[in-house]
Amino acid sequence: DAGITQSPRHKVTETGTPVTLRCHQTENHRYMYWYRQDPGHGLRLIHYSYGVKDTDKGEVSDGYSVSRSKTEDFLLTLESATSSQTSVYFCAISGGAGLEDEQYFGPGTRLTVT
Amino acid sequence: GESVGLHLPTLSVQEGDNSIINCAYSNSASDYFIWYKQESGKGPQFIIDIRSNMDKRQGQRVTVLLNKTVKHLSLQIAATQPGDSAVYFCAETTGGSYIPTFGRGTSLIVHP
Repeated sequence: DAGITQSPRHKVTETGTPVTLRCHQTENHRYMYWYRQDPGHGLRLIHYSYGVKDTDKGEVSDGYSVSRSKTEDFLLTLESATSSQTSVYFCAISGGAGLEDEQYFGPGTRLTVT
Repeated sequence: GESVGLHLPTLSVQEGDNSIINCAYSNSASDYFIWYKQESGKGPQFIIDIRSNMDKRQGQRVTVLLNKTVKHLSLQIAATQPGDSAVYFCAETTGGSYIPTFGRGTSLIVHP
């Protein structure tokens, strides 16, 4: 998984609770992304980061926030989880030297909101 | 858990056959394309890429063909094996935007 880890790998939480997912990379890649993947929708971009403390919204950012205080860590927070946020979440990285465009994915986090 | 392969086009082949998976892209300005393989329960895995200044690129058992005229991309897998069973999807980017657009994917099922 190209030096990308996600934690937790599985989580069950109740509606209304805050949840934070962590993505950690050891590749020193500049860009980091959070996607959600749902049957029938494919991969949808939630937020991305193009550097420390530099983030921007993707197509499905409502209800999510992110932070990147270090190159290696990108956090995704669900401020108040809803059942519609039940999904598999993938982190990805890109922007490695000489491999600027190639995007590598983590193993995913399966989140269930009850 | 529910498979990402549900609701997707499906290609079923016999072991040893060659497989061709197609992808139509929408943005004529896209200049970089990637094919990913996603096995059940895992993250997408980079397979092969191609830039718009090329028509064909070969890897190990895989070939990607790009037809810019009709905005079509294909992935050919030679001598398909059961381990190739997965969802395959393409992604396109434009001018170093670093924000790829992903296709919905095709589920490949290889029968032994």
